[in-house]
Amino acid sequence: NAGVMQNPRHLVRRRGQEARLRCSPMKGHSHVYWYRQLPEEGLKFMVYLQKENIIDESGMPKERFSAEFPKEGPSILRIQQVVRGDSAAYFCASSPQGQGGSPLHFGNGTRLTVT
Amino acid sequence: AQSVTQLDSQVPVFEEAPVELRCNYSSSVSVYLFWYVQYPNQGLQLLLKYLSGSTLVESINGFEAEFNKSQTSFHLRKPSVHISDTAEYFCAVSGQTGANNLFFGTGTRLTVIP
Repeated sequence: NAGVMQNPRHLVRRRGQEARLRCSPMKGHSHVYWYRQLPEEGLKFMVYLQKENIIDESGMPKERFSAEFPKEGPSILRIQQVVRGDSAAYFCASSPQGQGGSPLHFGNGTRLTVT
Repeated sequence: AQSVTQLDSQVPVFEEAPVELRCNYSSSVSVYLFWYVQYPNQGLQLLLKYLSGSTLVESINGFEAEFNKSQTSFHLRKPSVHISDTAEYFCAVSGQTGANNLFFGTGTRLTVIP
């Protein structure tokens, strides 16, 4: 049973470009969460999605960031017009249920570097 | 909302010595508590969790954590550490009601010294 798959593992973008991060949840999981980890910091919640719906985006920056989880295909975290401060590791997690207590399964992350 | 405090950013310890990684949380609702471990360049792996029942929970590799409601703590302990335990450890909390979002502490880097 494959785990949470994220790609690419490493992504380099110049300032002003767009970054698209992909996440395929574990089989049977319909709940997806995105987290950002800045250097020397813990993980910060960004957004929680269920198939075709954004459930909680309270951690998403108001501009340039968007996320989707279509009926078919992976979840996408999109960052437009990247800036150096967007450089971080972005982790996706999935769970089979949305209720509290259902452990999250994490991917290995996408490390975004903005030059 | 919930929050987690991990006061120790780095903990060096000699091999086979005991270790305790501290975690305190704040929440206005009842919570579930988790410890995750992150090895270099990898994602987080669930180490153990407290959902209900016995306040002492154990992992398969010798770690244990005790939920203390009065002190709002969930400290992680191991009586004898191995070199392979060197990693970053994150404490996390989620509310028992509402969405399943996890709120993480800033992590504790455990370094086991030979």
